[in-house]
Amino acid sequence: GAGVSQSPRYKVAKRGQDVALRCDPISGHVSLFWYQQALGQGPEFLTYFQNEAQLDKSGLPSDRFFAERPEGSVSTLKIQRTQQEDSAVYLCASSFSQHYNTEAFFGQGTRLTVV
Amino acid sequence: GQQLNQSPQSMFIQEGEDVSMNCTSSSIFNTWLWYKQDPGEGPVLLIALYKAGELTSNGRLTAQFGITRKDSFLNISASIPSDVGIYFCAGRANFGNEKLTFGTGTRLTIIP
Repeated sequence: GAGVSQSPRYKVAKRGQDVALRCDPISGHVSLFWYQQALGQGPEFLTYFQNEAQLDKSGLPSDRFFAERPEGSVSTLKIQRTQQEDSAVYLCASSFSQHYNTEAFFGQGTRLTVV
Repeated sequence: GQQLNQSPQSMFIQEGEDVSMNCTSSSIFNTWLWYKQDPGEGPVLLIALYKAGELTSNGRLTAQFGITRKDSFLNISASIPSDVGIYFCAGRANFGNEKLTFGTGTRLTIIP
């Protein structure tokens, strides 16, 4: 499809397990964002890429969270040693430009449940 | 992390009624956006505002960027069943395509 694609849609992990969440942005989109959405809350910023460069990772909650976009297209968000508080929906968004008034499109998200 | 104050938290209305919700911040934003999120989906952009005082419409939706740059409101006129969902405001502090700070959400329910 033409939209932002995220996989898997659902992931159940045992506490302490490592997980990797994938985001396929819209083709040609320069900017890519990751957000975390806890149940009943609005999305919260995690990190931002412009092409392959990670320009802002100020929202990553701990050093267990790591994101990469090595070729400037597909991105992976990795969470090591998952904990129950990591349970949330992880949203990816992409936009075709880094200029203002070019807003990002969101994917459907990956719902992570840590048990 | 920071979230914008959005009110009301939830609304129960009848079909055909008008809806109004707002969003406030303790700091200035240079862009205000309004999104709708359906269950199991990502947020979908409804309206974008880039200038203080700007009033923008998208069909039955109207939104305004507050003069102080610290607030915004969204109105929906003549609500229909497909308006059901959660509405989020979001602000961007910097010019340039950078991170958004989202509100806490307003859940809209239409009573039959």
